[in-house]
Amino acid sequence: QLLESGGDVVQPGGSLRLSCADSGLGFGSFVFDWVRQGPDMGLDCVASISADGSVESYAESVQGRFSISRDNSQKLVFLQMNSLRFEDTGLYFCARRAIFCRRRSCFDEWGQGTPVTVSS
Amino acid sequence: QSALTQPPSASGSPGQAVTISCAGTSSDVGDSNYVSWYQLYPGKAPRLIIYEVLKRPSGIPARFSGSKSGNTASLTVSGLQPDDEADYYCLSYARNNHFAVVFGTGTTVTVL
Repeated sequence: QLLESGGDVVQPGGSLRLSCADSGLGFGSFVFDWVRQGPDMGLDCVASISADGSVESYAESVQGRFSISRDNSQKLVFLQMNSLRFEDTGLYFCARRAIFCRRRSCFDEWGQGTPVTVSS
Repeated sequence: QSALTQPPSASGSPGQAVTISCAGTSSDVGDSNYVSWYQLYPGKAPRLIIYEVLKRPSGIPARFSGSKSGNTASLTVSGLQPDDEADYYCLSYARNNHFAVVFGTGTTVTVL
């Protein structure tokens, strides 16, 4: 239901724009996150956007370099990644926060991920 | 906020049960009943298998069960099947975390 794209190999300092397309229903009602799986296999939220796009949250490590946005008419979520660093390398998942989980504390839909490699 | 602690690996023979722990603190796991578990296969979308400690989404077999005691949550996979060989991650609500959630470190389950 969620399909990510845009991952690539990029040099340090470069930019990428990831996209997440939702083929399901009710897109505009959901909060979406980008979750990174790093080389150590750990999972971390890197950015989150509210249902109406008015509230954005970022991990400290990407604050000021990454920007999350959404187009509710096209059912798309984006992650603009600038000034990329080696440590940004990983598999980036688009994940939807479940409405049925209280405090929006779980993810009920995920994409397969798109790989980002920062290498010189 | 630090990741929740899971054992790196767990294993069991077909038909047996395996239990994975997810240790947190009074600020996350111990603070609420909002712990979820995810199953990850390489190259596939992660799947939610348990939410709010012990609830199973539609389509998840009853072989998967969750529990919590104090600051530690657990996932038990009963009647192990070869298809259960995957990575499992816990996730907890964490009111003081920037995203209000924190992941576990992940556990690789091997079916012997």
